[in-house]
Amino acid sequence: DAGVTQSPTHLIKTRGQHVTLRCSPISGHKSVSWYQQVLGQGPQFIFQYYEKEERGRGNFPDRFSARQFPNYSSELNVNALLLGDSALYLCASSLTSGRAYEQFFGPGTRLTVL
Amino acid sequence: SQQGEEDPQALSIQEGENATMNCSYKTSINNLQWYRQNSGRGLVHLILIRSNEREKHSGRLRVTLDTSKKSSSLLITASRAADTASYFCATERGDYKLSFGAGTTVTVRA
Repeated sequence: DAGVTQSPTHLIKTRGQHVTLRCSPISGHKSVSWYQQVLGQGPQFIFQYYEKEERGRGNFPDRFSARQFPNYSSELNVNALLLGDSALYLCASSLTSGRAYEQFFGPGTRLTVL
Repeated sequence: SQQGEEDPQALSIQEGENATMNCSYKTSINNLQWYRQNSGRGLVHLILIRSNEREKHSGRLRVTLDTSKKSSSLLITASRAADTASYFCATERGDYKLSFGAGTTVTVRA
């Protein structure tokens, strides 16, 4: 079975630009979460979506937005990119958005903002 | 801000030795999970321990949880070169998100 897939693998953008990152969850998983991992730190929660509805949002500015599609795939959008947005963006899927379920992570998208 | 803090930040051991790392957190939790990350890639789930559990085993991994001290430990026995990675603890508080610590970098020397 395919795991969580993310595209693109790497991305280079300049300040002020917009970026869209994509994620396909494991088949049968209805919940997708997004995390940002800056070099040398642990992942920081950005969003969780379940059944196309936002279930949780981390402490990120409104420049960050996301959505989930009927097939449960998801997009993370970041507007007006800043140098500080350079990070590994991780997508994770789980069966539900309830408690005590492990999350399965994709390989991540490495975003570099110049 | 991060909920958990791992200790030590880095650990270097000889192949065959045991590796122990600790995680402390600040607020009450529903469960605590440990993940492994190789070379800045995606995270691999290792083990989940619920707040009403005290110890859990999975293969060469042993996890303990002390909710009174708000701490957890991960023990890797008989380490191998393939165990070289960063290890993260993550807490779940019933608010749909995992809160990660900064991680422990483990290097296993041949």
